[in-house]
Amino acid sequence: SAVISQKPSRDICQRGTSLTIQCQVDSQVTMMFWYRQQPGQSLTLIATANQGSEATYESGFVIDKFPISRPNLTFSTLTVSNMSPEDSSIYLCSVHTSGSLYEQYFGPGTRLTVT
Amino acid sequence: KQEVTQIPAALSVPEGENLVLNCSFTDSAIYNLQWFRQDPGKGLTSLLLIQSSQREQTSGRLNASLDKSSGRSTLYIAASQPGDSATYLCAVNDYKLSFGAGTTVTVRA
Repeated sequence: SAVISQKPSRDICQRGTSLTIQCQVDSQVTMMFWYRQQPGQSLTLIATANQGSEATYESGFVIDKFPISRPNLTFSTLTVSNMSPEDSSIYLCSVHTSGSLYEQYFGPGTRLTVT
Repeated sequence: KQEVTQIPAALSVPEGENLVLNCSFTDSAIYNLQWFRQDPGKGLTSLLLIQSSQREQTSGRLNASLDKSSGRSTLYIAASQPGDSATYLCAVNDYKLSFGAGTTVTVRA
C-alpha cells in the first residue's frame, strides 16, 4: 500500500489567482495521477505525471491551466492557474502500486473554493 | 473510451439489510476493477480490488464479483450498519482509472 498526503487540505482563493497543491508519497512510485472532482460529480483524470518527463494531459485539460511538476519519485505538485469559480473542486492525487496489480491509492484531497 | 455506469444512484436501507451495488463498463479489456468508499468531503478509501482473471473478492462483510465478459461488477455489503453510509465508487482500470458516478448509501438506524 501507499500513504499519501496533500497540502493544503482546503483553501479559498480569489478568481484570477493561482494555487499550488502538493502531493507527498511515503514510497517511491513511477506514476502519479491528478484527479478533479467537481461538486456532486465523480472523479475525472487531469493528467499523469512521470518523474523526469512532462506530464500527459487528458482531453479537456491543458498544461497552461494545470502545470504539473514531478521533481522526484515521491513528490508532485499541481498548480491551478488563473482560477475561476468553475475550478471549485476537490483535487486528488493518487498512485498505483508496482507489480501487476496496479491497485490505486488516493490522497485525502484538497478542497478548493474560488470566489 | 471506457464508460462506467453505477446503478442505483442512491440507496436508503434500514440497518441490518444487505446492500447490492451495481457497476457496468463498456470495454472488457481491463487490468482490474476497484471499489472505493468516499465519505463527504474526503478522499477515497480502497475497499476491494478484483483482478481481471478473478470472479470474486471478499473482505469481511464485503464481497465483490466480476463478470468481465458482460462488463459487470456487483458489490455486496452484508448486514449493513449506519457506519456504512457513504458514497461507493466503482473504477475500471485499463491502466488509467475510469470512474462511475457512484452510489450514495444511507443506512438508517
